[in-house]
Amino acid sequence: DVVMTQSPLSLPVTLGQPASISCRSSQSLAHGDGNTYLNWFQQRPGQSPRRIVYKVSNRDSGVPDRFSGSGSGTDFTLKISRVEAEDIGVYYCMQGTHWPYTFGQGTKLEIK
Amino acid sequence: EVQLVESGGDLVHPGGSLRLSCAASGFTFRNYWMHWVRQVPGMGLIGVALINADGNKILYVADSVKGRLTVSRDNAKNTLYLEMNSLRADDTAVYYCARDYSGSIDSWGQGTLVTVSS
Repeated sequence: DVVMTQSPLSLPVTLGQPASISCRSSQSLAHGDGNTYLNWFQQRPGQSPRRIVYKVSNRDSGVPDRFSGSGSGTDFTLKISRVEAEDIGVYYCMQGTHWPYTFGQGTKLEIK
Repeated sequence: EVQLVESGGDLVHPGGSLRLSCAASGFTFRNYWMHWVRQVPGMGLIGVALINADGNKILYVADSVKGRLTVSRDNAKNTLYLEMNSLRADDTAVYYCARDYSGSIDSWGQGTLVTVSS
């Protein structure tokens, strides 16, 4: 199975400041169809996960533009340009290129 | 609006059985692969099982649950199931059903808690 490794696992941030989460895969996530199936999910406290980015850099409907995804191959990043209180929670990357889909361990974003 | 509503979670003794259900609405259920994903409270997400749209092929079952957990679906009832047997303490988790779309999971239910304890 593809191993997804996130860092950091805990990310204390100051409101209004930027935040960045790294996700690395043990194999390239470039699919033969030309797509790279790397997704990001946000899980707020007490809630289900919610997808916020798919295919590396595509934001889901309703996701603020302060969230951006980037990367290729085995290295990916989720950036929040200015953290707001509603962004607090755990963020997971997940690859859908290889079966089975696999998740990163999660990065807990908390207020400093 | 896509809705996935899980039910059936409960407290069960080790060795016991349980059947989880996930009622789908707001989309054409029979057109989508469906996942079960579990999360131990306070921990990460783990894929448990994946079934194809027709329900005639189980595409993935996690090694940790093989032979004990079985995914199925009834497209006429727009419902996904997870049959859980020989339950162990380490099966304690919130179980989510989730919709697959193009190398991703684009919708999640609210989850149902299964607690295995004597």
